[in-house]
Amino acid sequence: GNSVTQMEGPVTLSEEAFLTINCTYTATGYPSLFWYVQYPGEGLQLLLKATKADDKGSNKGFEATYRKETTSFHLEKGSVQVSDSAVYFCALSLNTNAGKSTFGDGTTLTVKP
Amino acid sequence: DAGVIQSPRHEVTEMGQEVTLRCKPISGHDYLFWYRQTMMRGLELLIYFNNNVPIDDSGMPEDRFSAKMPNASFSTLKIQPSEPRDSAVYFCASSLRQGGNQPQHFGDGTRLSIL
Repeated sequence: GNSVTQMEGPVTLSEEAFLTINCTYTATGYPSLFWYVQYPGEGLQLLLKATKADDKGSNKGFEATYRKETTSFHLEKGSVQVSDSAVYFCALSLNTNAGKSTFGDGTTLTVKP
Repeated sequence: DAGVIQSPRHEVTEMGQEVTLRCKPISGHDYLFWYRQTMMRGLELLIYFNNNVPIDDSGMPEDRFSAKMPNASFSTLKIQPSEPRDSAVYFCASSLRQGGNQPQHFGDGTRLSIL
């Protein structure tokens, strides 16, 4: 079956620190990969995505590269801000799943000033 | 553009009462998903629809839960009778059908508390 494994949280960083949240996946096909972010009291929203190997998704200073050889899609940001405090979800989706996505368990990030 | 709209945002009710959660997906989206989120179990897919037809309801916890999508712009999730362990945040999401590279768009959820 399909699965997504994220590094366990919570993650606590100081402002301007470098962020990495690891994500690895298992899929029976060739997936598209996503990072979603959930701010307190809100739903998940798309942060970035990549649809094929070696693609790099980027948004708001966050980046993730689709690595087929290591089945990974790690999220990185060079300098985090307090406003980045949120829960981050890695997810995959396959054409064969007809729109259905598989989500990781989420990683809570807290950035302190 | 209007996003996914859920109502109510908060619901507090007593055990045994019927609860109805509502969702309006983004216009033109073919897929609609209902999720439940709790601290203990995280984000769980309950059921999803394609073109108003239920495709997979294997995540619905028990017969007390039911979901309908009478038309492309409206869906409901009903719990009858409700129990305290149903307390959670329930999310609705929608997406376009164009293969697996389309993201899901989430509403802001309904926070349900069963006393």
